[in-house]
Amino acid sequence: KAGVTQTPRYLIKTRGQQVTLSCSPISGHRSVSWYQQTPGQGLQFLFEYFSETQRNKGNFPGRFSGRQFSNSRSEMNVSTLELGDSALYLCASSSGLAGVGYNEQFFGPGTRLTVL
Amino acid sequence: AQSVTQLGSHVSVSEGALVLLRCNYSSSVPPYLFWYVQYPNQGLQLLLKYTSAATLVKGINGFEAEFKKSETSFHLTKPSAHMRDAAEYFCAVSLTGGGNKLTFGTGTQLKVEL
Repeated sequence: KAGVTQTPRYLIKTRGQQVTLSCSPISGHRSVSWYQQTPGQGLQFLFEYFSETQRNKGNFPGRFSGRQFSNSRSEMNVSTLELGDSALYLCASSSGLAGVGYNEQFFGPGTRLTVL
Repeated sequence: AQSVTQLGSHVSVSEGALVLLRCNYSSSVPPYLFWYVQYPNQGLQLLLKYTSAATLVKGINGFEAEFKKSETSFHLTKPSAHMRDAAEYFCAVSLTGGGNKLTFGTGTQLKVEL
């Protein structure tokens, strides 16, 4: 079974630009979550999508948004990039049974975003 | 709100020695607890999880963790460290009804020396 794939793996942008990251979950998984990892703030939850609906949202500004398609693939978008958005963005997929907090989440390798 | 605290951002052990990585949690309701490992330039891999079925949880690669409610702890151990265990380890918590939102600790970098 193929794992979680994220594209692109590396990205360099300049301040003020916008960026779109893509995540393809494991086949059959309906939940996709996004996390931001930085040396200063560690791993922080951005949002979770389940069956095309946002089910959970972390404490990030509205510049961070996402969506999920009918095939469970997900994208996240960051508009008006700031230097502080430089991070590793990780996507995780799971079966996502509703209301269950112990589903194993399978992480992709991440997209390394650098904002200059 | 739930949180986890990992004591020691860096831990160094000799190959063959006991590995002990500490994690304490804070939660107003019974939590689900996880340990993940991250190797350089890779995503996170689940080592083990506590879901209230058993307090001693065995995971992959010889790791195990014990849930102690009285101490609000979920420390990760391995009897004998291997060079390949060198990585960063994260403790995480999620809650019933919280979907798949994981709250992570700050991580512990494990170094294994010859």
